[in-house]
Amino acid sequence: SQTIHQWPATLVQPVGSPLSLECTVEGTSNPNLYWYRQAAGRGLQLLFYSVGIGQISSEVPQNLSASRPQDRQFILSSKKLLLSDSGFYLCAWSVSGTAEAFFGQGTRLTVV
Amino acid sequence: GNSVTQMEGPVTLSEEAFLTINCTYTATGYPSLFWYVQYPGEGLQLLLKATKADDKGSNKGFEATYRKETTSFHLEKGSVQVSDSAVYFCALKRNTGKLIFGQGTTLQVKP
Repeated sequence: SQTIHQWPATLVQPVGSPLSLECTVEGTSNPNLYWYRQAAGRGLQLLFYSVGIGQISSEVPQNLSASRPQDRQFILSSKKLLLSDSGFYLCAWSVSGTAEAFFGQGTRLTVV
Repeated sequence: GNSVTQMEGPVTLSEEAFLTINCTYTATGYPSLFWYVQYPGEGLQLLLKATKADDKGSNKGFEATYRKETTSFHLEKGSVQVSDSAVYFCALKRNTGKLIFGQGTTLQVKP
């Protein structure tokens, strides 16, 4: 069966520090991968979308970047965190050509 | 472009009350529609889905019908429980596209 792993679960980082959040999917090949952010009191915002290795679509201009170094690995990064980067980050995957998506447990990031 | 609009929250109900959370969408073509639920401190779980017009998705007592004529996918439950307290997200996706969410509606059920 397919599983998605996202870590860490919680993270507290100072302003200006770097960030790396990792997401891996098991049990499937060539998934579509997503990073979403949920800011406090707000809905889900799609940050990045990937249909294959090295193929990243950025949905909104921001302080973050994403990479997909392997087929089932999706990394969210920042060189220098801002206070506004605080939020709940969710990784998700879907089978290419189908509609349903499956989510990781999320990472709560607090920038102080 | 594609978008999803949900009713504003929070929605506060007493146990055993009837629940409706409205969701309307704008999309080209024929997307699939979803309701996801997020319990406190957790990620999202798929609650139910419908892939074509007039389909009814159902799970755990929740139901939603894909209404193409009104571009709606309202979530309903006949009798809510305290354990249903969560944030509910309506979403749409075409097979080759991205999953687009509404802003989420917080449901609080009081005993």
